[in-house]
Amino acid sequence: EVQVVESGGGLVQPGGSLRLSCAASGFTVSTSAMTWVRQAPGKGLEWVSTISDSGRDTYYADSVKGRFTISRDKARNTLYLQMNSLRVDDTATYYCVKDDCSSSNNCYLAYYYMGVWGKGTTVTVSS
Amino acid sequence: EIVMTQSPATLSVSPGERATLSCRASQSISNHLAWYQQRPGQAPRLLMYDASTRATGIPARFSGSGSGTEFTLTISSLQSEDFAVYYCQQYNNWPPRTFGQGTKLQIK
Repeated sequence: EVQVVESGGGLVQPGGSLRLSCAASGFTVSTSAMTWVRQAPGKGLEWVSTISDSGRDTYYADSVKGRFTISRDKARNTLYLQMNSLRVDDTATYYCVKDDCSSSNNCYLAYYYMGVWGKGTTVTVSS
Repeated sequence: EIVMTQSPATLSVSPGERATLSCRASQSISNHLAWYQQRPGQAPRLLMYDASTRATGIPARFSGSGSGTEFTLTISSLQSEDFAVYYCQQYNNWPPRTFGQGTKLQIK
């Protein structure tokens, strides 16, 4: 069964750092496009970051660019999100997502939809 | 950036009735649209991709349609477990990958 499980959330002060982890099972993280999505309390979904299946390309929302870094560990089959210079408005539940695509051509063109979601990990930024 | 607009924000429907949710893109996205369902206290899950293809395990009462800028998610006969928030999301032109603000489907 394809599954992702997030961890690493917690309470951190503004300006602090946190690293989220996403352990995958049933598939290989290092050959899959993977994404982080967040949801602030009572709000909608916000795309945060994506790493391409090759790993050559990473993408970030403007709101986190320069502060967050997405990466993956092949040996651990794990995706990470390093979050630095955290702000109060980064408070949210962070979801790890395995991206999918419906054809090889769509994969090539990066027409990824968000296929498998984890349960999320909560990050609270507060003094 | 492509802006996704969902309507209505809240939809009240009785169990057993049909629900129709709309999603509009600010520019053409072909059929590169997904729908997600989020039940209270749960993570989102994929319902539909490529506008009209049901994800694995999604019941046939869910159907999607549309292309270009106008899309619809229809639930033909509402069950109790269908009352949730539904989000559309475009993946045609990114970054950023953008979501609609959500439609809350509630029991009438």
